[in-house]
Amino acid sequence: GQSLEQPSEVTAVEGAIVQINCTYQTSGFYGLSWYQQHDGGAPTFLSYNALDGLEETGRFSSFLSRSDSYGYLLLQELQMKDSASYFCAVKDTGGFKTIFGAGTRLFVKA
Amino acid sequence: DVKVTQSSRYLVKRTGEKVFLECVQDMDHENMFWYRQDPGLGLRLIYFSYDVKMKEKGDIPEGYSVSREKKERFSLILESASTNQTSMYLCASSSGQGAYEQYFGPGTRLTVT
Repeated sequence: GQSLEQPSEVTAVEGAIVQINCTYQTSGFYGLSWYQQHDGGAPTFLSYNALDGLEETGRFSSFLSRSDSYGYLLLQELQMKDSASYFCAVKDTGGFKTIFGAGTRLFVKA
Repeated sequence: DVKVTQSSRYLVKRTGEKVFLECVQDMDHENMFWYRQDPGLGLRLIYFSYDVKMKEKGDIPEGYSVSREKKERFSLILESASTNQTSMYLCASSSGQGAYEQYFGPGTRLTVT
């Protein structure tokens, strides 16, 4: 079967760094994406990794290790507005279909 | 800015009714997707389309059908709504076969009673 595993909840303090892990088991792999979703809002794209290594976009970074079927999203200098759900997603080999994880709820405390 | 709009934010239907959810995107994207989102299950793909009149089943197509007569519009149809189809439905679009960024609409919260 195809599955993505990520923690259901993470809590961190404002100004801290938090890492959200994602392991995947899929029949094909084209790339790993991360999306953010605030309560009542639509998912919005954060980052994409097709190759091994770290991609940095401002306070957010994303890492991929294809040999380990593993990736993570790193959020630095946490702000209250970062409280949201974060989804990892794998794009399959055909390049169309995307499989999403169940999401990680991040709570940022003052 | 890419804009994906969905016909309703909230919808209440009765069991057995035929339900139409409409999605329109304004960026000439080739690909369009329908997902449902349930607590603890993430987003699950129902159907997607990579071209006008083309459709492919996703992971949970049972009980649903789709229509894409124009490039900008992708409709999800519940032929006979059931209570287990109560959910948040999200439409998304992306620009090409390898496009990794999907743009999502605001969602339709469907309740079937």
